[in-house]
Parts: sequence; structure tokens; C-alpha cells
Amino acid sequence: EADIYQTPRYLVIGTGKKITLECSQTMGHDKMYWYQQDPGMELHLIHYSYGVNSTEKGDLSSESTVSRIRTEHFPLTLESARPSHTSQYLCASTRQGASVEQYFGPGTRLTVT
Amino acid sequence: KNQVEQSPQSLIILEGKNCTLQCNYTVSPFSNLRWYKQDTGRGPVSLTIMTFSENTKSNGRYTATLDADTKQSSLHITASQLSDSASYICVVSDRGSTLGRLYFGRGTQLTVWP
Repeated sequence: EADIYQTPRYLVIGTGKKITLECSQTMGHDKMYWYQQDPGMELHLIHYSYGVNSTEKGDLSSESTVSRIRTEHFPLTLESARPSHTSQYLCASTRQGASVEQYFGPGTRLTVT
Repeated sequence: KNQVEQSPQSLIILEGKNCTLQCNYTVSPFSNLRWYKQDTGRGPVSLTIMTFSENTKSNGRYTATLDADTKQSSLHITASQLSDSASYICVVSDRGSTLGRLYFGRGTQLTVWP
């Protein structure tokens, strides 16, 4: 069982609201990731971090932002949510190395009305 | 273009039967190939990770194979159970960057009927 947590699990909000999706892991992993996944589709990397104060954008353009102030915490923020942001957001982490397992959180299902 | 293609898109089998899922990839340079199981509404859980030199790896009733020459992999599930109903995702990592990019397939949706 992976020690990586996401809150909230489900969120329904109105357009224009600011939201923060929380992700934390207790495994001491340096690398953390945010993915976006629509039903029946592949995961798309939107943000990643190699460590504290390190954040980079992924392959899929996203209006969200992330921060990494502590090793165990990697929150994702949407300043003004829109219906196009409706999706599943998955957080993951891994230790250093090439063929190491990537552990995923349970995900946050976001619906913007 | 680096891609991961999975087939079939969906599969229905009866409990107790075996099945095989396929994955073809064009990712280069290749680092490793992973199979994940994703239950509905949950995050993916790793089943196997195989590097270039490995051509078979088992995890209980799950057996993955890798042919790095033809860039194909398969996941064989033996004696299926109702709890095997999930999406099975093939993921290939490259070694061309420090990130170790992961390329995800769209998954095969497996349904096991009693």
C-alpha cells in the first residue's frame, strides 16, 4: 500500500472559484508528479518536481500551478476554475533511479459547473 | 513519435478464464516497461516493471512478457477473478532525459463476469 494521499477525493465547484488539490507522501521521495486523466484516456503529465523548490511544467499545457516547499507536500492550484478543468487529477511520487516504481495517490475527481 | 498502443480496448471474460493483453510501443531509447492496474476511480497500482534485459516477470497470477526487439509486451492473467475487473495500463519509460519520461497507453478495460 503506497503512502501517498490526495484530498479531496471528489470536488464539485462553480466556475471562477480558486481551488487547491492537496497531495502528500510519507515515503521521503524526492520526485513528485501531477497527472490529468479523462475517462478512457491516457494519463498526461502536467507538472513535476525533482525536490524542494523545484517545479516544472509537463507535456500537457495546464492553467494550474504547483509548489514544493516541503519534500512531502506537492499541492496543485487552479486560480479560476472552468468547466474545461473537469477531470481526474492523479498525484504520484518516486525515489531517485531509472527503473523504480512510481506510486500513485487515489486521485481527485474535479467537476467544475 | 513516442507512442504506446494497447489492445484490445476492452475485454470481457468469465471468472476462472485466462486472458492476454497486448502492448506495442515506439518509445526510444527504451528504459523500462511497466504494467499498472487501475480500479475505477482509483490511482494506478504497479504490477510489474521490466528492463531491457528481462523478457518475463511474474506477480502472482499476472505474468508480463517483453520482446524489446519487436517492441511488444503482453500481460497474461491466469484464473481470472472478479477483482481483476479494472483497466490495465502499459507504460514505457525512456532513458533519453533526466526525467525518465513515462509514456502511457490508454489501457485495456477488463471485465470479469461470474
